[in-house]
Amino acid sequence: SAVISQKPSRDICQRGTSLTIQCQVDSQVTMMFWYRQQPGQSLTLIATANQGSEATYESGFVIDKFPISRPNLTFSTLTVSNMSPEDSSIYLCSVVSVLSGNTIYFGEGSWLTVV
Amino acid sequence: KQEVTQIPAALSVPEGENLVLNCSFTDSAIYNLQWFRQDPGKGLTSLLLIQSSQREQTSGRLNASLDKSSGRSTLYIAASQPGDSATYLCAVRRGGADGLTFGKGTHLIIQP
Repeated sequence: SAVISQKPSRDICQRGTSLTIQCQVDSQVTMMFWYRQQPGQSLTLIATANQGSEATYESGFVIDKFPISRPNLTFSTLTVSNMSPEDSSIYLCSVVSVLSGNTIYFGEGSWLTVV
Repeated sequence: KQEVTQIPAALSVPEGENLVLNCSFTDSAIYNLQWFRQDPGKGLTSLLLIQSSQREQTSGRLNASLDKSSGRSTLYIAASQPGDSATYLCAVRRGGADGLTFGKGTHLIIQP
């Protein structure tokens, strides 16, 4: 398995500001994903972040709003820019563990509330 | 576009019962299917992964089946316990380079 740490775990943010979420993995992984879970909803894929390439965004998500960095095989960041109350969500980092048969593991999530 | 549906949306049963959670997906061309549980205020815990070439996987009291041609999977929980109370999520991957598409989950309550 893979152990994934996310920071911050929770935050309350002012509208119009930006927040960067960090994701640290205890092993080297090639494939990393970022998801959003809005209140009462299931998870939606934001983007795929593979080391050595630009992040690939899903329909409805853009780089200007959700810039992603992937500087190495154990770390990634997601920034939520110019936040509005509609960005209040849980943001989750996940990785593919090849050693575990391509099982996908998730971090505990970062709970953001925008006021 | 892949769509994943989970039935029922919510389920409340007495402790000790065996139960089945259902998941269906519209595009049968999947790479694998994974079941998760999510506890309130927590992230996701992986329960079972079924590769597209497999029919079922088992872990303890959990058994997941996959019928790719009909676009269905079931999660069977034997001898349910109050600790099984959580939201259960089904998710599929289209390919090895793709992320997961999730259903909306089944909110399960096991009554002591």
